[in-house]
Amino acid sequence: QSALTQPSSASGSPGQSVTISCTGTSSDVGAYNYVSWYQQHPGKAPRLMIYDVNKRPSGVPDRFSGSRSGNTASLTVSGLQAEDEADYYCTSFAGSNKVVFGGGTELTVL
Amino acid sequence: QVQLVQSGAEVKKPGASVQVSCKASGYTFTDFYMHWVRQAPGQGLEWMGWINPNNGGTNSAQKFRGWVTMTRDTSINTVYMDLSSLTSDDTAVYYCAKGGRYWFDFWGQGTLVTVSS
Repeated sequence: QSALTQPSSASGSPGQSVTISCTGTSSDVGAYNYVSWYQQHPGKAPRLMIYDVNKRPSGVPDRFSGSRSGNTASLTVSGLQAEDEADYYCTSFAGSNKVVFGGGTELTVL
Repeated sequence: QVQLVQSGAEVKKPGASVQVSCKASGYTFTDFYMHWVRQAPGQGLEWMGWINPNNGGTNSAQKFRGWVTMTRDTSINTVYMDLSSLTSDDTAVYYCAKGGRYWFDFWGQGTLVTVSS
C-alpha cells in the first residue's frame, strides 16, 4: 500500500485535458511544497515532469502543470497527445528526510 | 550531457547480497544527492534512500534500514547500493536517480536484480 493515493487509471481523447490526483496527509503533501511528478513509459526510466508542486524542468512541455489544494496535489495534462500515454507517479517529502511515492496512474489516450 | 550508467543485471539466490553501481558523468558529482528507487515487476516505484556524495551521508526509508548500504567513491564518480539477505520480494529493477533531497531529475537506465533459488 502506497503512502500517497492516486487513481489507478485515467484517460482522455487527443486534445482534451486530464487531471490526475495525488492524495496524502497533512504530514506530507499538505505540509511541504515538495511534490513532484514523474512520467514513465513502458520499459523506460521515469522522467521528472513537475517539482516543488508546480515547477517545470527545462524541456518539459507547458502542457504539463501541477497544483495543490490541501492534502491533494494534481497533475494536469492539457492538449493530450499520443505520446503522453504513460504511467504517472507523484512523490512528496514526508519529513525526517523521507520521500514517499504514490501508487501510480496509467494514463490512456483514447 | 548528464549520464548515469548502472551495472548489469544480476541473478542471486535467496539470502545472498547484491551490489549495484551507478557511475555519473556530465555534472559535478558532489553537487547533487543520489537516490535509489526500485520497481518490482508490474508494480510501482518505491523510494529506498539517498546518499550525499559530498560527505557520504545517507538516509534510507525505514523499511530498508539495517538492510541497505549506500556508499560512494568520489575518485570515480560512482555510488554503490548494497542490499543484503535477499528474498524473492527483492526481485526488481533498481534505479539510481540524481537530484535534490526530495526530487530526482535524472535517472539511470535501471538494473534488474532477480532473486531465485
